[in-house]
Amino acid sequence: DGGITQSPKYLFRKEGQNVTLSCEQNLNHDAMYWYRQDPGQGLRLIYYSQIVNDFQKGDIAEGYSVSREKKESFPLTVTSAQKNPTAFYLCASSFAGAGETQYFGPGTRLLVL
Amino acid sequence: GENVEQHPSTLSVQEGDSAVIKCTYSDSASNYFPWYKQELGKGPQLIIDIRSNVGEKKDQRIAVTLNKTAKHFSLHITETQPEDSAVYFCAASKVGGATNKLIFGTGTLLAVQP
Repeated sequence: DGGITQSPKYLFRKEGQNVTLSCEQNLNHDAMYWYRQDPGQGLRLIYYSQIVNDFQKGDIAEGYSVSREKKESFPLTVTSAQKNPTAFYLCASSFAGAGETQYFGPGTRLLVL
Repeated sequence: GENVEQHPSTLSVQEGDSAVIKCTYSDSASNYFPWYKQELGKGPQLIIDIRSNVGEKKDQRIAVTLNKTAKHFSLHITETQPEDSAVYFCAASKVGGATNKLIFGTGTLLAVQP
């Protein structure tokens, strides 16, 4: 069963805590992306990676970090430096190159305790 | 930088009526325009896309039109059904570049009343 999986579905963060969101794909896609979605707003790009061991900052990278050690995996860490982390986080993947369709995972909702 | 504006933010129609959502983009070099449907609590799903070498594309009850001169593109849903109720996002990007960055509109909440 191919696709993109994200875990957990819900995640709670305490003040000063780093949390990591998982994203895995078995579509053999080269590129992977992380977006943040806030109510009433569109999707904003946090980080993206076009190839293993390489990634670039998106429009709102501050307070986040990523790694791309494997083609299938692109975890996102929300650090304590991100002062307003409550949001719906979406991972996507695509084949490399501009204009390739991005496919999204089911999302992780992060809440601050 | 590239900006995509989407209207309306909410749209309510009666079942069986048509729905139209419009987007405007700022970068004339943009040439790939996907539309996504997002149901509550789920990730967006691609429903149709269009590239700038065509002016219209249809898939059953869904169609997208593109006006490159005016930098507008629109989603048309005919014979709407309650299961069409969702948030719809337009997006734009540039084919031919090295990266695949999509710029999204702010979304339209479509409610189809039975």
